[in-house]
Amino acid sequence: DAGVTQSPTHLIKTRGQQVTLRCSPISGHKSVSWYQQVLGQGPQFIFQYYEKEERGRGNFPDRFSARQFPNYSSELNVNALLLGDSALYLCASREQRGVSYEQYFGPGTRLTVT
Amino acid sequence: AQKITQTQPGMFVQEKEAVTLDCTYDTSDQSYGLFWYKQPSSGEMIFLIYQGSYDEQNATEGRYSLNFQKARKSANLVISASQLGDSAMYFCAMREGLGNDMRFGAGTRLTVKP
Repeated sequence: DAGVTQSPTHLIKTRGQQVTLRCSPISGHKSVSWYQQVLGQGPQFIFQYYEKEERGRGNFPDRFSARQFPNYSSELNVNALLLGDSALYLCASREQRGVSYEQYFGPGTRLTVT
Repeated sequence: AQKITQTQPGMFVQEKEAVTLDCTYDTSDQSYGLFWYKQPSSGEMIFLIYQGSYDEQNATEGRYSLNFQKARKSANLVISASQLGDSAMYFCAMREGLGNDMRFGAGTRLTVKP
């Protein structure tokens, strides 16, 4: 079975631009979460979506938004990019919400803002 | 407040020896889950092992085991018979409450020496 896939792999944008990152979960997984990992740090939680509804939001500004589609794939949008948004963006999926479900990560999208 | 603390920025271990990576956590929830992930230089987060707060036995997965000490709020990862391919960043993470988000520690960089 295919794992979590993300596109694009790498992206270079200019300050002030907007970006859309895409994620396809493992087949049968209904929950998708997004994380930002700045170089040298652990991932920081941005959003969780389950059954197309936002179920959790981390401490990120409103420039960050996301959505989940009927096929459970997801997009993360970031507006008005800042240099500090340069990071590895990770998408993760799991079967259900709840504490115990294992979460599987995609390879990530490396965003560079110049 | 820091929810997950990994106090070892870097660790070295000789090939074929065992190594313990430390993790302490902070939560007031009774129901929570603890996870360890491996992140090679390629960037992908690889799930290693899970321990639930109500699990009475320590989790084991092949060469990985989790030394869970609930009263001390610690969840240390033990890797037995280290291999060169174990060289990577290792992250401890926790999911609590409704399980909407996952919090990560800062990570430990493990280097296995031949």
